Amino acid sequence: GDSVTQMEGPVTLSEEAFLTINCTYTATGYPSLFWYVQYPGEGLQLLLKATKADDKGSNKGFEATYRKETTSFHLEKGSVQVSDSAVYFCALRYGGSQGNLIFGKGTKLSVKP
Amino acid sequence: DTGVSQNPRHKITKRGQNVTFRCDPISEHNRLYWYRQTLGQGPEFLTYFQNEAQLEKSRLLSDRFSAERPKGSFSTLEIQRTEQGDSAMYLCASSLGTGTQETQYFGPGTRLLVL
Repeated sequence: GDSVTQMEGPVTLSEEAFLTINCTYTATGYPSLFWYVQYPGEGLQLLLKATKADDKGSNKGFEATYRKETTSFHLEKGSVQVSDSAVYFCALRYGGSQGNLIFGKGTKLSVKP
Repeated sequence: DTGVSQNPRHKITKRGQNVTFRCDPISEHNRLYWYRQTLGQGPEFLTYFQNEAQLEKSRLLSDRFSAERPKGSFSTLEIQRTEQGDSAMYLCASSLGTGTQETQYFGPGTRLLVL
């Protein structure tokens, strides 16, 4: 079945470091791909998305490119801030009418000043 | 736009009791989803509604679980005869439209602890 695999955390970085969180997926058809972020004590928020191969989603300095050939959607940011500390979830939405999201396990990011 | 709201935010109950959670979606959103998130895991799909119709239920949704969306607005999720394994965060999300333009907006969740 469809699934998402994320790199395990926690990831600890110093402020202004480069961030990569790996995400690969298994899916039939051509899903849409998402990154959601969960800040401490808050609900999931959509960070960015891409709906077809080679699309790049971007928001708040974060980027991810939909790579069909490697079935990947890695999240990157050039310079992280303390305020980026959160749990990041990669997800796919199967292209059928059902529409529910399939999530990875999440990667906790801690950024130290 | 007030966002998706869920009540209560926290619930502690004893094993065997029934609990009910409520979700108020963003106004005019026609789709409403329920997910469950356990510690260290990503959210897992439980069920979803399009307007008042419940269109899909996950295998995770045992017979003890029931969800309703009577007027196509708010939704309730009831768990009967709770078990310790039901302890989790229950998330609600709503969206408008379908296809590649659909974006699900999540509420803050209801954290359930079954003693």
